[in-house]
Amino acid sequence: QQQVKQSPQSLIVQKGGISIINCAYENTAFDYFPWYQQFPGKGPALLIAIRPDVSEKKEGRFTISFNKSAKQFSLHIMDSQPGDSATYFCAAGNNNNDMRFGAGTRLTVKP
Amino acid sequence: SAVISQKPSRDICQRGTSLTIQCQVDSQVTMMFWYRQQPGQSLTLIATANQGSEATYESGFVIDKFPISRPNLTFSTLTVSNMSPEDSSIYLCSAAGGPNSPLHFGNGTRLTVT
Repeated sequence: QQQVKQSPQSLIVQKGGISIINCAYENTAFDYFPWYQQFPGKGPALLIAIRPDVSEKKEGRFTISFNKSAKQFSLHIMDSQPGDSATYFCAAGNNNNDMRFGAGTRLTVKP
Repeated sequence: SAVISQKPSRDICQRGTSLTIQCQVDSQVTMMFWYRQQPGQSLTLIATANQGSEATYESGFVIDKFPISRPNLTFSTLTVSNMSPEDSSIYLCSAAGGPNSPLHFGNGTRLTVT
C-alpha cells in the first residue's frame, strides 16, 4: 500500500528553527495532499492540506510546498516550538478515497 | 470538524477471541474508514465502511477476519476475529463529511493480544 515516501524518519530542530519534512508520491491520480500531526496516545489530527492547483499553502507557521511535475510536496514549520514535537504524516489520496500515508517523521524541537 | 469517539480505548484480549470496536461520529458523515497503525509506524487502510452495503476491503484484509458494520451515517463497528498476537495494534476510525471534506480520526483503540 505504501505509495507515499516520507523523509526524514526523525528530525531534531532547535527552538525557533525551521523544520522541513519531505514526501513523494507515485500515483498521478492523487489530488489531495494533507499533513497530519500525531501526539502519543492520540489519533492523527489534520494540520494543513493542499490540492495540486496551487504550489504553496500557508496557515500560520505551517506551509506546504507542492511540486506537481516532480510529484513531491513538503511541510515547513517556521519558528519551531517544543510543543510542535510530535510525529508528522504526509498523505495522498483522491477525494478522501484511497488515502495513502507516509511512514511518518518524529520531530523533536529542543528548547 | 467532526468529533469521533471510539470504544474501547484499549483492551487486552486472549488469542482466539474476538473484539468489536465501536466508532461514533457526532454528525452525519458520508465516508467512514478503518485504519491500523502499529505503534510508531504508519497508517494502513483496512477498509471503507459503506452504509447499507458490504465494506470495501484493501488488499491483505478480508471480511471474515475484520467484519465491519455501518448501520447509519454516524456509527460503525470493526470486529477483529479469532485474534492472534499479530493483531496487536492500534485500530483507528476515521470519517469525512464528503469526498472533498477533511478526513478526521478518532483516538484509536490499542489492542494487545496475548
